[in-house]
Amino acid sequence: GAVVSQHPSRVICKSGTSVKIECRSLDFQATTMFWYRQFPKQSLMLMATSNEGSKATYEQGVEKDKFLINHASLTLSTLTVTSAHPEDSSFYICSAIGVLGPHNEQFFGPGTRLTVL
Amino acid sequence: GEDVEQSLFLSVREGDSSVINCTYTDSSSTYLYWYKQEPGAGLQLLTYIFSNMDMKQDQRLTVLLNKKDKHLSLRIADTQTGDSAIYFCAEEADSWGKLQFGAGTQVVVTP
Repeated sequence: GAVVSQHPSRVICKSGTSVKIECRSLDFQATTMFWYRQFPKQSLMLMATSNEGSKATYEQGVEKDKFLINHASLTLSTLTVTSAHPEDSSFYICSAIGVLGPHNEQFFGPGTRLTVL
Repeated sequence: GEDVEQSLFLSVREGDSSVINCTYTDSSSTYLYWYKQEPGAGLQLLTYIFSNMDMKQDQRLTVLLNKKDKHLSLRIADTQTGDSAIYFCAEEADSWGKLQFGAGTQVVVTP
């Protein structure tokens, strides 16, 4: 149990286009999902907290109009990188909180490698 | 600087024990975590410890927590080549589950 999937696993796009990344909790319901980005050899940087049915909460310095997050159901959150530029190239990882143990555990997806040309 | 700090690199021989250290700053964190990340993959939860515990053992993994010094360590016994990865410690940043990660420790296991 407690599997989080992401799609696509890697995507290459042209500068100026938009890319949508999906994050799904496959066998549990997740009221809260998180989106992170990770640069090579660096830690995860939290971008936003996504709650089902409400607007995402963005971390300081993250442009909400550039990184659109939608959490339409208890098992799906999407991150859309709008008008992507090469500096948006990164590894994007989502996670979902599930109550599967003695406390809320955060389960991570496998990540999506975005390359903007 | 980061709120959670880790050494960046550890080299260990196969069969030896590995010890990865971490310091954190938020004394109100209820849980502290260790995650493993293999190349090109997401994070895998290895273990966690509740803040009122000093030690937790789970098979080859031992977590030690010193709340006074805000120091957390992960010991991997009988380290194997499959343990080569980046290890992140993380503390809870709020009650909604937000995590604050360290920079990660790259562990390289040599034969």
